[in-house]
Amino acid sequence: DAKTTQPPSMDCAEGRAANLPCNHSTISGNEYVYWYRQIHSQGPQYIIHGLKNNETNEMASLIITEDRKSSTLILPHATLRDTAVYYCIVRVQGGNKLVFGAGTILRVKS
Amino acid sequence: GAVVSQHPSWVICKSGTSVKIECRSLDFQATTMFWYRQFPKQSLMLMATSNEGSKATYEQGVEKDKFLINHASLTLSTLTVTSAHPEDSSFYICSASPSGSWDYEQYFGPGTRLTVT
Repeated sequence: DAKTTQPPSMDCAEGRAANLPCNHSTISGNEYVYWYRQIHSQGPQYIIHGLKNNETNEMASLIITEDRKSSTLILPHATLRDTAVYYCIVRVQGGNKLVFGAGTILRVKS
Repeated sequence: GAVVSQHPSWVICKSGTSVKIECRSLDFQATTMFWYRQFPKQSLMLMATSNEGSKATYEQGVEKDKFLINHASLTLSTLTVTSAHPEDSSFYICSASPSGSWDYEQYFGPGTRLTVT
């Protein structure tokens, strides 16, 4: 599976959009981009995933560039409870492993 | 739906003893379960993949005789840390993939914090 690069940390004001970038320049055609988050001392929580089209669900939006070498997770109205480590993972669909990198620590501040 | 539980949520044991951690899928059947370990301020590291009715597949560097995994039913996998030592103190997290899931979608448990004294 391709490797991902994320900034180690980001701050966001409460109520504003949080935009979390992820680089995956070696992604191959059959690999999907997955986002999970982990709130302190809890198990990871699935957020969203996509292949090449932008995706939106009740939690977030995922914007994937046309060349698929990077993506952005958008939390439209961040709250204090969104403070967590966010992991961007690239995985072949049908592949059974999730390889977690270092992730981005998002701090939402009031 | 898709809830995974772990028991216990935290445990303290003495060096040299064994500890069993349970992972249960509460509202779905899971052919495949995964065990992760997370040290403080580090990311999750996959330890092993557990398939119901067969032997677990361990990641490189994980001692299979120390971390015994049993996946005897479609809703339960157990991880036993044998002869635990202080360096085994960690946060252990399991995840489960619903049977028939073509995407191996994973649902994570809340984790078990193990402290070995």
